[in-house]
Amino acid sequence: GAVVSQHPSRVICKSGTSVKIECRSLDFQATTMFWYRQFPKKSLMLMATSNEGSKATYEQGVEKDKFLINHASLTLSTLTVTSAHPEDSSFYICSASIPSGSSEQFFGPGTRLTVL
Amino acid sequence: AQSVTQLDSQVPVFEEAPVELRCNYSSSVSVYLFWYVQYPNQGLQLLLKYLSGSTLVKGINGFEAEFNKSQTSFHLRKPSVHISDTAEYFCAVSHGGATNKLIFGTGTLLAVQP
Repeated sequence: GAVVSQHPSRVICKSGTSVKIECRSLDFQATTMFWYRQFPKKSLMLMATSNEGSKATYEQGVEKDKFLINHASLTLSTLTVTSAHPEDSSFYICSASIPSGSSEQFFGPGTRLTVL
Repeated sequence: AQSVTQLDSQVPVFEEAPVELRCNYSSSVSVYLFWYVQYPNQGLQLLLKYLSGSTLVKGINGFEAEFNKSQTSFHLRKPSVHISDTAEYFCAVSHGGATNKLIFGTGTLLAVQP
């Protein structure tokens, strides 16, 4: 149980275009989802916390107009990288926690974004 | 504020040897502690977690960790490693609750050599 999927797993886009990444909890309802960014050989950097039906809470230094997060249902959160540039190239990982949980997060497999 | 320190960025070890990956945390309140493993180009998988109770926690793939409150440590151990254990290992801490953030350490690359 507690499986989280991400789509797409890999995306290449041109500079200036927007890219949407989906994160789904497949067998549980997640009131809270998290979006992370991971640079090569680095730890995970929390970008934002996404709560179903409300606005996401962004970490300091993360541009909310650049990284649009929508959590429209209990099983789906989306991250849209708007007007992507090469510096946005990274590995993006989402996670979800269960409502009665202990902060344990279930992670998706990640999305590799490459902006040309 | 919480923080997590993984002093070893890389730990090389020979196959079938024991290994310990170190993790220290700082927090002024009770914490929950986690170890996650990440294989190349994949997401994170939970190895084990400490919530309460016994300080020795057993996880998947033969790993275990011991919570030491006085030393604020949560070191990960395995008595005999395999080549397939080669991966990045992350220690994380939280105050608890479904909406609470996980604070991650910088990770330790376990490199198992034949």
